[in-house]
Amino acid sequence: AQTVTQSQPEMSVQEAETVTLSCTYDTSESDYYLFWYKQPPSRQMILVIRQEAYKQQNATENRFSVNFQKAAKSFSLKISDSQLGDAAMYFCAYRSSIQGAQKLVFGQGTRLTINP
Amino acid sequence: DSGVTQTPKHLITATGQRVTLRCSPRSGDLSVYWYQQSLDQGLQFLIQYYNGEERAKGNILERFSAQQFPDLHSELNLSSLELGDSALYFCASSVDPGYYEQYFGPGTRLTVT
Repeated sequence: AQTVTQSQPEMSVQEAETVTLSCTYDTSESDYYLFWYKQPPSRQMILVIRQEAYKQQNATENRFSVNFQKAAKSFSLKISDSQLGDAAMYFCAYRSSIQGAQKLVFGQGTRLTINP
Repeated sequence: DSGVTQTPKHLITATGQRVTLRCSPRSGDLSVYWYQQSLDQGLQFLIQYYNGEERAKGNILERFSAQQFPDLHSELNLSSLELGDSALYFCASSVDPGYYEQYFGPGTRLTVT
């Protein structure tokens, strides 16, 4: 079974600085998807960014980018120019491409605090 | 707003009781997923339906059951409730199981006293 590990329960960063959240995963599959979800105090799960395993290029969405290292099974999230609105729980998630196994497997989350 | 609706937003009930959580997927989405978020277990997949049929099962207790109706809305039934069932229950939907993105509803907060 696939597992996702986020080794940083909490992180903090100064406003306007850059922060990197770590995620590692374990799988024997070669084709899959990886995601970062944001959960603000409202509890809504918001998709931040996704990465297809077959793509070598790292995904980027505005201030959010990932460092995807397939061989190392590592998928970190970099947030540039941190803003107060970025404060939230961040979850790394894995999704298989195998039919019938397309559930999301989540890590334990990293609580990100933005210091003004 | 993801387009996925869940009712009720909050539910407080006693141990031993039964509750039903409802989810309406985004218009056009055929697949529905249920997840449980608790302090102990984190975010866990419970069950998936596609066009009315069960497609995959996760760590769902025997006391829990779900179904997806012809209009594609889904219900999660929780019975013989225990204190440990207190959690946030999310529904998510996607166009079909093969589509990578799942859109999450706002969740139902269940408190068992």
